[in-house]
Amino acid sequence: DAKTTQPPSMDCAEGRAANLPCNHSTISGNEYVYWYRQIHSQGPQYIIHGLKNNETNEMASLIITEDRKSSTLILPHATLRDTAVYYCIVRGYSGGGADGLTFGKGTHLIIQP
Amino acid sequence: DTGVSQDPRHKITKRGQNVTFRCDPISEHNRLYWYRQTLGQGPEFLTYFQNEAQLEKSRLLSDRFSAERPKGSFSTLEIQRTEQGDSAMYLCASSSGLEETQYFGPGTRLLVL
Repeated sequence: DAKTTQPPSMDCAEGRAANLPCNHSTISGNEYVYWYRQIHSQGPQYIIHGLKNNETNEMASLIITEDRKSSTLILPHATLRDTAVYYCIVRGYSGGGADGLTFGKGTHLIIQP
Repeated sequence: DTGVSQDPRHKITKRGQNVTFRCDPISEHNRLYWYRQTLGQGPEFLTYFQNEAQLEKSRLLSDRFSAERPKGSFSTLEIQRTEQGDSAMYLCASSSGLEETQYFGPGTRLLVL
């Protein structure tokens, strides 16, 4: 799976949009971009994933650049409960089965009141 | 609650003792994963089951570690002769064959004294 690069930490004011960047310049054509977050002492929570089109769900939006070398996770109206470590993961699928996820250190997003 | 559950949530043991953790995946998810997470790091993949078959093991899974999923439903992870370096959060995740997004449980936090 391709390696990802994320800033170690970011701040965002409550109520504003939080934009979390991720670089994945070695991504290959069949690899998806996944985002998870982990609130302190809890298991990772799935947020969203995409292949090449932008995606939106009730939690967030995922913007993937046309060349697919980077992406941005957008939390449209951040709240204090969004304070967490956010992981960007690039994942391919092995034939007939699914591999384990490769987590980096993620971005620690701190929402300021 | 129909999410992934793990038991116990916390375990304190003395070095040299054996411990066993249980994971109950989301109903009808045929894939089950175990991860380990140490302080300040992202989760690291340990092993993966498709139904009852253990299909992949990480090099992190030493011979003191054994995982089973006897009937293709719940899984157990046993650590024999625990060492202080085994202190970590042990996470379980499950996915279905169709979607393949992994959903995580709350984890079992192990402390080896």
